[in-house]
Amino acid sequence: QVQLQESGPGLVKPSETLSLTCTVSGGSFSPYYWSWIRQPAGKGLEWIGQIYTSGTTNYNPSLKSRVTMSVDTSKNQFSLTLSSLTAADTAVYYCASLFRGAFDMWGQGTVVTVSS
Amino acid sequence: DIQMTQSPSSVSASVGDRVTITCRASQGISTWLAWYQQKPGKAPELLIYAASTLRNGVPSRFSGSGSGTDFTLTISSLQPEDFATYYCQQANSFPRTFGQGTKLEIK
Repeated sequence: QVQLQESGPGLVKPSETLSLTCTVSGGSFSPYYWSWIRQPAGKGLEWIGQIYTSGTTNYNPSLKSRVTMSVDTSKNQFSLTLSSLTAADTAVYYCASLFRGAFDMWGQGTVVTVSS
Repeated sequence: DIQMTQSPSSVSASVGDRVTITCRASQGISTWLAWYQQKPGKAPELLIYAASTLRNGVPSRFSGSGSGTDFTLTISSLQPEDFATYYCQQANSFPRTFGQGTKLEIK
């Protein structure tokens, strides 16, 4: 069974850049779509974007100017960078796999706090 | 963006009750709709995709229906482990969007 695990810093300063990585194990990495989703504490889910293992991306227009996703098929990993952070970016960040448009497998999530 | 609106925002029910949650899309999405269950402190879990297809391993008391703009998630006989928050999500167009969630609480 596919497992996903997010990694990255838990605390980032305002105006800095967040970098998160999702490592996929226990199943095929290619050729599939992979996604990032976030959830502020006590709030709903926000789709950040997705990447295909070829490198093709789709981003949420609300974040597009600050988001970059990349993939490393040799390591079964995909990554998210989010720049110019503010307190509004404080959230649990999830990575997930895609199946027929639905997010079928999720990582456990990583808490990111933006604070000085 | 396609707006997804769930109703109710919260519902209280008892074990054994039948519960229905509704999700409405701001424009037609065919059957490109998924439902998720989320428990506190955990990642969401996929229950249903393509509006009515039950994911492998999900109990048959869960069912989904609808197409176009109106969709429902029904739990036929609530079990204690079903008390959670439920989200719908459209996969018809970018950006993917979620409903605001429906919290299912014990009466």
